[in-house]
Amino acid sequence: QKEVEQNSGPLSVPEGAIASLNCTYSDRGSQSFFWYRQYSGKSPELIMSIYSNGDKEDGRFTAQLNKASQYVSLLIRDSQPSDSATYLCAVNVYNFNKFYFGSGTKLNVKP
Amino acid sequence: EAQVTQNPRYLITVTGKKLTVTCSQNMNHEYMSWYRQDPGLGLRQIYYSMNVEVTDKGDVPEGYKVSRKEKRNFPLILESPSPNQTSLYFCASGLAPTGPYGYTFGSGTRLTVV
Repeated sequence: QKEVEQNSGPLSVPEGAIASLNCTYSDRGSQSFFWYRQYSGKSPELIMSIYSNGDKEDGRFTAQLNKASQYVSLLIRDSQPSDSATYLCAVNVYNFNKFYFGSGTKLNVKP
Repeated sequence: EAQVTQNPRYLITVTGKKLTVTCSQNMNHEYMSWYRQDPGLGLRQIYYSMNVEVTDKGDVPEGYKVSRKEKRNFPLILESPSPNQTSLYFCASGLAPTGPYGYTFGSGTRLTVV
């Protein structure tokens, strides 16, 4: 079982819609959670982090964390074609100094 | 500008020819790490360093070496590259390996071993 699981996609949404990206993790010791965006051929770029259960909003992005269900999600409101990228979920396990990445979900936003 | 600089961006080499990929950060970060990224497998950690002269293996260290003689630099060495090391490599740095911080990634090195 992988430490971090993501649906590889592609997830296709029309411009202006809400894109919902999901991630599950296996280690209950995970304490910090991150979403990175990666354009094709480019490096991952940190867009959101969340540490507590609930929602965290930053502009058009909302990260949601449910530790009981071991589930993290990222909502992108008013999706734009420029949001088309692969989104990587990452979790941080403090006890083991480990940082695990999912393999990413490819998002396509159609004009 | 705060950044992680990797060189080269692209590299084609032959099996067995030693190579070094350089990584340098200007953010005074304690923690640095190397990842490889392959389709369907995501980012896998090769080696990491908690501070100068302190390095440790990640999940896929075989065939790689690293050193951390200066805080800002963390080169990745392939002593005898093989075709299965063809991949996209990223160097990353952060304030700490854990905690509420993310990592800053370099621009990547696409390595092809023939």
